[in-house]
Formats: sequence, C-alpha cells, structure tokens
Amino acid sequence: DAKTTQPNSMESNEEEPVHLPCNHSTISGTDYIHWYRQLPSQGPEYVIHGLTSNVNNRMASLAIAEDRKSSTLILHRATLRDAAVYYCILYNAGGTSYGKLTFGQGTILTVHP
Amino acid sequence: EAQVTQNPRYLITVTGKKLTVTCSQNMNHEYMSWYRQDPGLGLRQIYYSMNVEVTDKGDVPEGYKVSRKEKRNFPLILESPSPNQTSLYFCASRPGTGPYEQYFGPGTRLTVT
Repeated sequence: DAKTTQPNSMESNEEEPVHLPCNHSTISGTDYIHWYRQLPSQGPEYVIHGLTSNVNNRMASLAIAEDRKSSTLILHRATLRDAAVYYCILYNAGGTSYGKLTFGQGTILTVHP
Repeated sequence: EAQVTQNPRYLITVTGKKLTVTCSQNMNHEYMSWYRQDPGLGLRQIYYSMNVEVTDKGDVPEGYKVSRKEKRNFPLILESPSPNQTSLYFCASRPGTGPYEQYFGPGTRLTVT
C-alpha cells in the first residue's frame, strides 16, 4: 500500500484557518486521497476525499498538488470542536484494498481558545 | 439518522469466556468491517464483509470470528478471549468497496483480565 506522511502534531488558534499537510510521494493513479478525523473518545469520522481536483464540502477543503504527491486539508475557521487526530489515507478503490482503510498515526490538532 | 451502533460500549471479561460484540447499521450498506485500535499501532482491520454471507480476513484476524447473516448486522465473536485482545474496537460500514465515505460506530472498549 502507498504510504502517507503527516506531521505528528499541529496547533492552531480558534477561528483561524488550519492547513494540515500530507505527503504521499508513491501515490498511484487510482489512489483516492481520503481524510478522516477522530475526536477524543469517538470513532473516526469522514471529512473529505478527492482524486485529482480540489474538493470542498461543509466541513473542509482538500487541495491536491498537481503531481498528486501531496495534499492539504484546510479547515477554514478552526473551532474547539475541531481538536482531533486527522488521518490522511490513500485508498485504492480498484485494487486489492477490498474496502480497507489503512490508518497511520495521523496529526494531532490542538486548537487554542 | 444514518448510524452504526455497537453494543456493549464497555466490557470487562475474563480469559476464555466467550463474548460477542454486536454491530448494526441502518444505511443498507453492503460493506462492513471491524477494526481494533491500540496505542502506537493505530487502527487495524480485523475482518470485513462485502455482503451477506461473504466475509474475509483483514490484517489481524487471529482469535476472532465474524458472521454476516443479515445485511444490517455484523457481530464480532471472541470465542476464547485473551488479555492481548484488550483493545478499543470499531465497527464500520460503507456502501461498497468504491471510494465512498465510511461510517464508524462509537467503539467498544474491551478489557480481558
């Protein structure tokens, strides 16, 4: 499976934008970039995913580099509720993943009031 | 409300006493899976099911069994629990193996003494 690299931790202030980076230099053409987050004492929660183009939804934006070797999850205005572990995951929908999401260690996001 | 439910949420048991953790989803999803989460090891897939009566091993299946007799339910069975199965367990579901959003349950914290 292609791997992702994320910083161990990041900090932000409330109501400021947050840019969470992810490197995936060995990404294949059929790998989708998924982001999940896990709030304290909860199960992982889907945030966003994309293949080649930038994506926006109500929770966040996903900016994908032109060569697809990196991506950035953007939270436009961080709130205290956004404090969580954020996972960047490559998912090969057409390959042998069989639905499995391979979680790394993720980035621990701390949001200061 | 679309959701994945798990029961029990917390369980303390003794070595060798068979137990079942139930999982149910109300979204008519074909794909369901079980993960365990351990400090430093992240989330690892135990078993998955692509549809009724179709199950297969994930990365760490030893000591676990599953069944999928109905589309909505995917119980995890530990026939002879051991202390190394003390962990946080998550059930998940998604429409299929495509690049879809995956929904996770709230987790079951299991302690085997």
